Amino acid sequence: EAQVTQNPRYLITVTGKKLTVTCSQNMNHEYMSWYRQDPGLGLRQIYYSMNVEVTDKGDVPEGYKVSRKEKRNFPLILESPSPNQTSLYFCASSSEGFYEQFFGPGTRLTVL
Amino acid sequence: KQEVTQIPAALSVPEGENLVLNCSFTDSAIYNLQWFRQDPGKGLTSLLLIQSSQREQTSGRLNASLDKSSGRSTLYIAASQPGDSATYLCAVNGPDRGSTLGRLYFGRGTQLTVWP
Repeated sequence: EAQVTQNPRYLITVTGKKLTVTCSQNMNHEYMSWYRQDPGLGLRQIYYSMNVEVTDKGDVPEGYKVSRKEKRNFPLILESPSPNQTSLYFCASSSEGFYEQFFGPGTRLTVL
Repeated sequence: KQEVTQIPAALSVPEGENLVLNCSFTDSAIYNLQWFRQDPGKGLTSLLLIQSSQREQTSGRLNASLDKSSGRSTLYIAASQPGDSATYLCAVNGPDRGSTLGRLYFGRGTQLTVWP
């Protein structure tokens, strides 16, 4: 089944404790991206990647890192999480960046 | 920067009504526009994708139109059902200028409730 998977689905952590949210897709898509969704603010893009080793900042990249060493994986790294990064995170992928985008199920992160 | 607006923010209708959800965007030089559905606490399900060269797309009871020059799209839902209750999101890919290739901008959504 074609899909985008994210792990973990739920995470509660404390300020400053490094964490990684994984994202994987099995559709051989070149393009992958990360979004966060907050009440009243909607979905905002954090980082995106056009292909392996090619990444670029979205609208809200501060406090996040990404890497794209393999085509199928695009992990989101929070090196020192803070409470304002409490949010619902989505990973998405598509072919070549401007075709239909497929979203993962989301990761609900709480930073205490 | 691309800005996407959705009107209305919320809509409550009886079952069977035909609905129109609106989406507008500020920069018309887009690659495509995609409509999503999101159920509470869940992920996004793609409903329809309209490429910049297209005027409309249809899937079942859903029809989406695109007027790129005026920066507008509408999602038409025919014969609404309680199962259609969800938040509907409009997302614009672009504008299509090199550095923004692949950028997706979302509206804040229309929360739809269809009651029996």
